[in-house]
Amino acid sequence: NAGVTQTPKFQVLKTGQSMTLQCAQDMNHEYMSWYRQDPGMGLRLIHYSVGAGITDQGEVPNGYNVSRSTTEDFPLRLLSAAPSQTSVYFCASSPRTWRSTDTQYFGPGTRLTVL
Amino acid sequence: DAKTTQPPSMDCAEGRAANLPCNHSTISGNEYVYWYRQIHSQGPQYIIHGLKNNETNEMASLIITEDRKSSTLILPHATLRDTAVYYCIVITVAGAGSYQLTFGKGTKLSVIP
Repeated sequence: NAGVTQTPKFQVLKTGQSMTLQCAQDMNHEYMSWYRQDPGMGLRLIHYSVGAGITDQGEVPNGYNVSRSTTEDFPLRLLSAAPSQTSVYFCASSPRTWRSTDTQYFGPGTRLTVL
Repeated sequence: DAKTTQPPSMDCAEGRAANLPCNHSTISGNEYVYWYRQIHSQGPQYIIHGLKNNETNEMASLIITEDRKSSTLILPHATLRDTAVYYCIVITVAGAGSYQLTFGKGTKLSVIP
């Protein structure tokens, strides 16, 4: 298994541009999520999904859209990039159980700079 | 979500046990304590979790106080590769099996040769 993969690893955008950060997992996990991490800070949840066709907002959803058309993929879209969105973005997945105590597996991250 | 409090940084000599404390005084009875770590520039990595009893795996031990208001992560023989930021997280189940991880700033552990 490749685990959780993210592309691209690095990206530079100009203010106002749009782009999609890709995330895929090959472990048949139902739960997927996106976090951002700013310098000296912990991770903050942007959006999450408990299964195909179901998404919900996390702590900092503004400026981001997500969709979950398949179990494997969970792309994060920046509609109009702003310098405040300069950050490292991590995607994570985990199996879903009713007890919800499964560990999350994180991808390697995408480092985004918005000029 | 129950909040956690961790010291911002700690040092540990290589080969010695590293004991990382975490306070979670408002934890609810059905909330688990999870520990993750993040080595520089990498994604967070799961270490261990527990509810009431002490837990041990190949990476670490987790000691939870009887009142569950605090816990300690123990790395029995710290190596230089254990230098990382360690996050103590309390998970709240948010209905229909979904949940969120709330990361604080964690403890930066530096293992010194």
